[in-house]
Amino acid sequence: QQQVKQSPQSLIVQKGGISIINCAYENTAFDYFPWYQQFPGKGPALLIAIRPDVSEKKEGRFTISFNKSAKQFSLHIMDSQPGDSATYFCAASSGNTPLVFGKGTRLSVIA
Amino acid sequence: KAGVTQTPRYLIKTRGQQVTLSCSPISGHRSVSWYQQTPGQGLQFLFEYFSETQRNKGNFPGRFSGRQFSNSRSEMNVSTLELGDSALYLCASSLQQGPYNEQFFGPGTRLTVL
Repeated sequence: QQQVKQSPQSLIVQKGGISIINCAYENTAFDYFPWYQQFPGKGPALLIAIRPDVSEKKEGRFTISFNKSAKQFSLHIMDSQPGDSATYFCAASSGNTPLVFGKGTRLSVIA
Repeated sequence: KAGVTQTPRYLIKTRGQQVTLSCSPISGHRSVSWYQQTPGQGLQFLFEYFSETQRNKGNFPGRFSGRQFSNSRSEMNVSTLELGDSALYLCASSLQQGPYNEQFFGPGTRLTVL
C-alpha cells in the first residue's frame, strides 16, 4: 500500500522556469514532510523539510507548500537550473514510523 | 567530516547465495537505517538500528537481517538471494534515532542477482 503518491514521474522544464512536484499522503498521523534530491550515482540528500504547523517554507530557490486539509504538499523550484536536474523524492513520517517515500520525479532542466 | 561509506559499491551474486553489505556512518552518528531502492518501488525502508538494537523494521521477509556494532557500523545480510533482490541498497545515518533527525545517505551498494 503506497502511502505517499508523487507526481509527475518525470518533468522537463526550461532553464529559468518553475518546477513543481506534487505529493499526496493518506496517513493523517504524518507530521514531518521532507524532500530529498538524488543525483546519479549518489545517495539522496535532504533538500528541505516542513512540519504541518506552517503552510509554506522557503529556502533559497526551493519552496515547500503544504495543504493539511487536502493532505497534499508540493515542491517548487524557482528559476530552475541545469544543475537542478536530478531525481526528487518526497517523504512523510510520524514520530513512530520510519520515512515513507514517494516513487520519485526525474527532473530535467534544459537550456 | 567524512560522509557515510558503504562497501562494496557493486556486487554480483547468483540466486540462492547470501550477501553481506557494510555501512560506516558519519562519525558521532548513532543511528543507521537501511533502504532498498528499485525503479518500480522507489525507496523502501528495511530497518533502523540505534545503540546496537533494531528499533524499527520494514515489511521485508526474514531473509533480510541486520546488525549494528558498538562503533555504530552496521551490516545487513540477505540470505537465499532471489532475482527480485536486485536493487540499490542505501544506508543512512543520523545523530539520533527516529525520522525527525536528518538522515545522511551513503552512495549505496548496487546488488545484481543473476
